[in-house]
Amino acid sequence: DTGVSQNPRHKITKRGQNVTFRCDPISEHNRLYWYRQTLGQGPEFLTYFQNEAQLEKSRLLSDRFSAERPKGSFSTLEIQRTEQGDSAMYLCASSGTGEQPQHFGDGTRLSIL
Amino acid sequence: GESVGLHLPTLSVQEGDNSIINCAYSNSASDYFIWYKQESGKGPQFIIDIRSNMDKRQGQRVTVLLNKTVKHLSLQIAATQPGDSAVYFCAENMGQAGTALIFGKGTTLSVSS
Repeated sequence: DTGVSQNPRHKITKRGQNVTFRCDPISEHNRLYWYRQTLGQGPEFLTYFQNEAQLEKSRLLSDRFSAERPKGSFSTLEIQRTEQGDSAMYLCASSGTGEQPQHFGDGTRLSIL
Repeated sequence: GESVGLHLPTLSVQEGDNSIINCAYSNSASDYFIWYKQESGKGPQFIIDIRSNMDKRQGQRVTVLLNKTVKHLSLQIAATQPGDSAVYFCAENMGQAGTALIFGKGTTLSVSS
């Protein structure tokens, strides 16, 4: 499968715990995006990388959220001190250079107990 | 075929009918638009895109129409099949490299056989 891969698919954790998600983009794509989607809504942008550089961050990305893409390939999204409101589907997408469509993975569903 | 002039959250059609899903986008500066299909438990799947210098683009069984005057986008699906049942989102992008996608309200398409 050469699509965007996300792990884990599901994560259940207690409030206050830290969680980390991983995204492996399509191999030739240099752009990587993180979105959050809550039930019944469209995805909302969180942050964007071009290669290893984080170039854009949404106001949704609070101080408890941090994303990295250290080698310009896979990316991780960490949420510290999780809160009930963090429960959502976290989606990763990647795209090539230029005006190219973003291709999404199947997401990580986070549930906070 | 079934068509709607304004965005509706749900659309029900019979197998074999043509479907039209409408979307109003928000930013007159947007110059790149994408339609995504999202099935339950999966990430958004790219269907078709269109740039603002076009008003129509056709794919396999799908056509996207863009009316920049009224900031309106539509997706036409010919000969709708049960496998087309999903939530459909339009997304806009202001065209600058890496700019986040802004998603519209989804439409749930239900196809009965």
